[in-house]
This record gives sequence, structure tokens and C-alpha cells, in this order.
Amino acid sequence: QVQLQESGPGLVKPSETLSLTCNVSGGSISSNYWTWIRQPPGKGLQWIGYIYSSGSTNYNPSLKSRVTISVDTSKNQFSLRLSSVTAADTAVYYCVRGRGGDGYNLDHWGQGTLVTVAS
Amino acid sequence: DIQMTQSPSSLSASVGDRVTITCQASQDIRNYLNWYQQKPGKAPKLLIYDASYLETGVPSRFSGGGSGTDFTFTISGLQPEDIATYYCQHYDILPYTFGPGTKVDIK
Repeated sequence: QVQLQESGPGLVKPSETLSLTCNVSGGSISSNYWTWIRQPPGKGLQWIGYIYSSGSTNYNPSLKSRVTISVDTSKNQFSLRLSSVTAADTAVYYCVRGRGGDGYNLDHWGQGTLVTVAS
Repeated sequence: DIQMTQSPSSLSASVGDRVTITCQASQDIRNYLNWYQQKPGKAPKLLIYDASYLETGVPSRFSGGGSGTDFTFTISGLQPEDIATYYCQHYDILPYTFGPGTKVDIK
């Protein structure tokens, strides 16, 4: 059974870069689409983007200028970097496996990690 | 981006009731729709894909239907463990977007 676990700082200062890593266990990262989703407190879900094991990426246009998703197949991990953060980026960040073309079926989720943007 | 709407935003029903949630897309998304269940403090869980196919291990009281712009999600016999917020998500084109959610409670 594939399991995902997010890790990274829970507090980031405004204008700095948010960095999270997702460790994938119970399966290889060398297939499927590895995705980041976020959820501001008390609000809905937003698709941030994905990376395929080959390194190809696709990002939400609303975040594209600030987002980088990368993969390290040797460590079975993938990562999210979001630059120039503001309070609006405060959210629970989930790493997710996407199944199917362009990873559209989000079938395995990490537990989520709350990132607060504050000085 | 394709906009997704859901109704109602919340509902309260009795154990054993049939519960139906609707999801509408701002343009034709064929049958490219998923439904997720999110319990408080937990990650969402995929329940239905391709609008009407049950994910492995999901109880058969959950079902989905529709195509084009209008979709439904039904719980045929609400159980206490079904208390959650339910989200639809389209995948016709990138970026994928989610509906705002429907919170289901027990009366």
C-alpha cells in the first residue's frame, strides 16, 4: 500500500520560500503523477501541480510563477517550493499520488501538513 | 479555469436516509469527474471516479452519475461514519478544480 508523508517547516515568514518534501513508501515513485494540493483553513481544495517521474511538470497557472515541483527518484521523494509567500498561502499542504493520464485520480494522500505564513 | 459548484452547501439527514448532492461544471466536462470524502482533520479520500465508478473498497451505498455539466452523488442509506464534507473535482482540462464542498451531518 503506497503511503505518503509530508515534512517541512510549519512556519514561514512573508516573502520567503516555502519548502516541503514528500516521502513515498510502499511503492516506486518511478510511475504515476506526484501532486501537491493545498487547503486553506476552513476552505476548499486547490490543485497546485504535479511532476511525473520523468521530470515533466504541470502547474496551476495562478501559482505558476512561484511554484517549483521536483523529484528525487533515488530517495523516492518529491518536493514543493513556493516562493514569495504571503498570508494567503497559509494552508494545509497535501502530497498526493495521481493515477491515470495527467494524474487526474488522486487516490493516495499524505496526512497533510499545516504551513502558516507569519512574521 | 472550469468552475465547479455544489449544492447544497450543507445538509442534515437521519441515519438511513437517502442523501443526494449535486455538482455543476461551468462547461461540458464529459464524465471527467471525481468525488472525494473528507472527514474532519483528515485528508480527502477518493470515492468515485469517471463520474460513476466506485473506487476499490468503497461501500456500495455510495454512487455517482451524470455527464456533461450536471452530476449527482448519492448515499443510499446514510451511516454515522459518513459524516464528512464531500467534494467534486473535474479533470477535463488542467488545472483541475474542486467544488466548494457539501458538509453532511446527522440530524
